[in-house]
Parts: sequence; C-alpha cells; structure tokens
Amino acid sequence: EPEVTQTPSHQVTQMGQEVILRCVPISNHLYFYWYRQILGQKVEFLVSFYNNEISEKSEIFDDQFSVERPDGSNFTLKIRSTKLEDSAMYFCASSLKPGQLWDEQFFGPGTRLTVL
Amino acid sequence: AQSVSQHNHHVILSEAASLELGCNYSYGGTVNLFWYVQYPGQHLQLLLKYFSGDPLVKGIKGFEAEFIKSKFSFNLRKPSVQWSDTAEYFCAVNGITGGGNKLTFGTGTQLKVEL
Repeated sequence: EPEVTQTPSHQVTQMGQEVILRCVPISNHLYFYWYRQILGQKVEFLVSFYNNEISEKSEIFDDQFSVERPDGSNFTLKIRSTKLEDSAMYFCASSLKPGQLWDEQFFGPGTRLTVL
Repeated sequence: AQSVSQHNHHVILSEAASLELGCNYSYGGTVNLFWYVQYPGQHLQLLLKYFSGDPLVKGIKGFEAEFIKSKFSFNLRKPSVQWSDTAEYFCAVNGITGGGNKLTFGTGTQLKVEL
C-alpha cells in the first residue's frame, strides 16, 4: 500500500540553525500539508500546498518557514533560524483531490525536531 | 474559527469493555468529521469519517461514530475493545469554507487496554 515517507525520523539542531524536513507524498496525490505537534499538545495545521503554491497557512507559519516541491516527488519544510519553541513532531500529509473536502489525508510517520 | 475538544485525555479499559470517546466541535457551518488513530510507533491512520448522509458511520476494526448535529458531537464507540486497540485517538474537523482542506485536531485521547 502506498504511504507517505519522511526523513529524517529525528533531527537535532542548535538554535538559530536552518533545518530542512523532507517528505515524499503518495505519488499520484496533488495536495500536500505540514502539521506539527509540540509534546503534550494538539496536532496543529501549518500549511497546505497545491499546484506549486501555498493554498492556506496558519499563523504559526511565519516568515521563518517555507515549503517547496523541488522535484516531482519531494515536499520540503524549511525553518530558516530555529528557535527552542520549534521543537516538535512534524507530520507531512498528502491527499488525492484538490479542493475536495471529503478527501482523506494520509499522514507520514513524522520527524521529531529537537532544538537545543 | 473551528475548534475540537476531546473530553478524556487518558482512558484505561479491560479487554471486552465498551468504549466511548467524546468529541465536540465548534464551527458555524457545515463540517466534515474524522477520527484518526495512532498506534505506538506508527503513522496517524484514518479510522472513519463523516461527510453527509447517515449520521452513524462505521470504520475499520469495529469502530463506529455518531454525528449529532444538535450537540455538535461526534463520539467514537466500540462495543468490545481489544488489547491491540491501545493507541492514541484524535478527533478532527474540516470546516467547509472556500479555503483549503486543513484539519483541526482535538488534543487526543490515550487509550490503554489491559488484558
């Protein structure tokens, strides 16, 4: 069964460093998402991406964050200058149909980001 | 803005006990509702979803949920739990607007089923 994959599974970085989290969505999916979960808190929406542009973003997704689909398979989340409060589990998700609200989002296993 | 609340943060049950996990949402319009499950060390997986029609929806592994519009609720049920149901359960809502497909999640309920 096709699945969303994410690398690395765990990333440790120093405050102020840039990190890139990578995701490979399911191959025929067209809508991509990033969510995060700070330890002990809710899963929170960060951004959705379709047709090579951001569809929607939350207030968390400030200028320090960016997303990119550099090729036909990868979907990346970049944090330019990490802060301690960016420490969280980051989940990538993808769905098949754009704008179809009954569509199912398939989640990856997550990348645990630890900022020291 | 849409929000979701899950009433139980930790639930411990014995095998064969019945399960009901509460979920209430807040949103002014039409919603789609979901329950996701995360087994230890695994991905978030969709258990079931409600979009329209019969408010009682059946999902995988014997789970079901009932959408009660007047109560803004979408409680998850299972008549007889198994040890393998030990996991974290998340209720989520997707409000139907002109925007994207973002999911708003509840805080999750950690279920432990004891033998």
